Formats: sequence, structure tokens, C-alpha cells
Amino acid sequence: DVQMTQSPSSLSTSVGDRVTITCRASQRIDIFLNWYQQKPGKAPKLLIYAASRLQSGVPSRFSGSGSGRDFTLTISSVQPEDSATYYCQQSNITPFTFGGGTKVEIK
Amino acid sequence: QVLLEQSGAEVRKPGASVKISCKASGYTFINHYMHWVRQAPGRGLEWMGTIDPSGGSTTYAQNFQGRVTMTRDTSTSTVYMELSSLRSEDTSVYYCARVDCSNGPCPGLEYFQHWGQGTLVTVSS
Repeated sequence: DVQMTQSPSSLSTSVGDRVTITCRASQRIDIFLNWYQQKPGKAPKLLIYAASRLQSGVPSRFSGSGSGRDFTLTISSVQPEDSATYYCQQSNITPFTFGGGTKVEIK
Repeated sequence: QVLLEQSGAEVRKPGASVKISCKASGYTFINHYMHWVRQAPGRGLEWMGTIDPSGGSTTYAQNFQGRVTMTRDTSTSTVYMELSSLRSEDTSVYYCARVDCSNGPCPGLEYFQHWGQGTLVTVSS
């Protein structure tokens, strides 16, 4: 199975800050990496697919980059509503696997 | 709009089985693969498998082989996920999730654009 390692596992930030979350795959997965945002008690929400493609309706402050094994999710200017847990997911090969999550707290 | 409506919370004893439904609306049911993902309390996301609603073919994660069965009913646009031999570690919220691509598999692009609201399954003696 492809192991997905996210870092950090949590972070605390202020409104307006730039936040970067990284995700590393245990083997190369081309660009087949997706990012989700999950708020407590809710289903995950797709933010980014194929490493860098912004899902329709997602604010442009979210962006993704990377290929191969290393990927990043960036929030250019964090807003209060971005408080959530973020997960990466590889869709290159089954079983599709998720990272352990990054909890973002807004101070 | 696309809507995935899941059945309600369930409580089961260890060793029992549970069958969860996910009723789809707002799109052509047979055109999009459906997946199941679970999340234990306070934990991360775990992919369980997928079903092609058109032909009914399935792919299961090795972790669930022999215990999970995914089926569909095209007359009601509903997919089902049955998990057997339940143990306490199966206590989780179970989600159905639909991929964006249509009309067959789309290697690499199985990202989950639409999700059900989740069904809590509690396994306790």
C-alpha cells in the first residue's frame, strides 16, 4: 500500500497568515493527489484534485502543487472559516490511501 | 444537484453484520463509480472499496476482503455496503462518496467530489 505522510499533524495560525501543509507518498504517484477539508461532524469536502486543480467553488486562496512523491497544500491568507482538518489522498493505485490529517487552528 | 442520502445510525453487537444504504439523486446513477470511506472516532479516513453501479463490479481494500460486500439497486439508485463479523474497532462513521468522472473507470482521477452525510455504526456488547 502507498503510505501517505502529512506534516505537520497540527498547527496554529492567525488570520491572514500563509499556511503550507505537506504530504509525502511512500512511492511515486504522478500527480494523482487530492486534498480535502473536513470540519467537525461533517463529511470531507474536496478542495484540490490532481495535485493542483482547484475544485469548482473553492476559494482561490487554496492551491496545491507537487508531483511524484512530494505535494503541498497552501492557504495564501488564512480565514477564520478555514479552521478544519485537512487530508491528502492518493488516487494512483488501490487501495486509495489518505494522510493522517493536519488540524489547522485559527488563533 | 447531486445528493447522497445515507441510512441512519446503527448499533450492533460484536460478530453481527450491518448494511448501510446510500441513495443517490440528481445525476445518472449508473454513470459514476461509488466508493465507501470510513472514519473511526477522532481518527483519519480509510478507503474501503468501490462499486461500479452500472455492472455491479467491485474492488475492495485488502483490509476488508471477506467481510465487506458492496451492492447496488439500479431501480432505486441506491448502493449498499454490508460489513460482517463486526468488532469494536469497526465503530466508525461510514461515508459513501461519488467520483467526478463518468462512464467507466478513470485511472488516477478517483477523487471524491460528492459525499453522503455519513452513518455512524457503533459496535458494542
